[in-house]
Amino acid sequence: QVQLVQSGAEVKKPGASVKVSCKASGYTFISYGISWVRQAPGQGLEWMGWISAYNGNTNYVQKLQGRVTMTTDTSTSTAYMELRSLRSDDTAVYYCAIDRVLDAFDIWGQGTMVTVSS
Amino acid sequence: EIVLTQSPGTLSLSPGERATLSCRASQSVSGSYLAWYQQKPGQAPRLLIYAASSRATGIPDRFSGSGSGTDFTLTISRLEPEDFAVYYCQQYGSSPRTFGQGTKVEIK
Repeated sequence: QVQLVQSGAEVKKPGASVKVSCKASGYTFISYGISWVRQAPGQGLEWMGWISAYNGNTNYVQKLQGRVTMTTDTSTSTAYMELRSLRSDDTAVYYCAIDRVLDAFDIWGQGTMVTVSS
Repeated sequence: EIVLTQSPGTLSLSPGERATLSCRASQSVSGSYLAWYQQKPGQAPRLLIYAASSRATGIPDRFSGSGSGTDFTLTISRLEPEDFAVYYCQQYGSSPRTFGQGTKVEIK
């Protein structure tokens, strides 16, 4: 079955970087893109950006430009999201989701909790 | 950026009652590319409705979506115990893909 499996929880200090992975299975990885969505504790969903698994094209939300990098490794069908210069308000659950462009997100990863604390 | 405003913030209802959730967009959502998700504590969101009114695979027919342009509605015809959760709308017709702030449906 189609699924996305994410890496485990992370605890980071302010100013550090985190890299979350999202391993896809059950479909041809390069056929679709991957979006990343985060959710701060008790808050709503925030779309962070998208990467094409076909050619690596990216589209990041403006507020994260310069701090976020999304990449893929087609040899392992894995997408990555790296966030740098972490702040306390980056504490959130980070989700990946299959993004077929002009289609809703029907497959999500299980989420990765990232805690930023000194 | 399209801002989505959901109302009400919280809906207190009893099992068996009808729930009507609203999602209003700051500008027209192109192609009616509007989705609804359900999220329960500790879980990833689950897709309920896409293209404003199409049910996702495996979603019971008590869930229905309607609307176009800037006004969209999710209706749950008769609430089951498992329907008490937070619901989000999302537009995916333009970038950035934005979400509403959510409506919590709680047991009265």
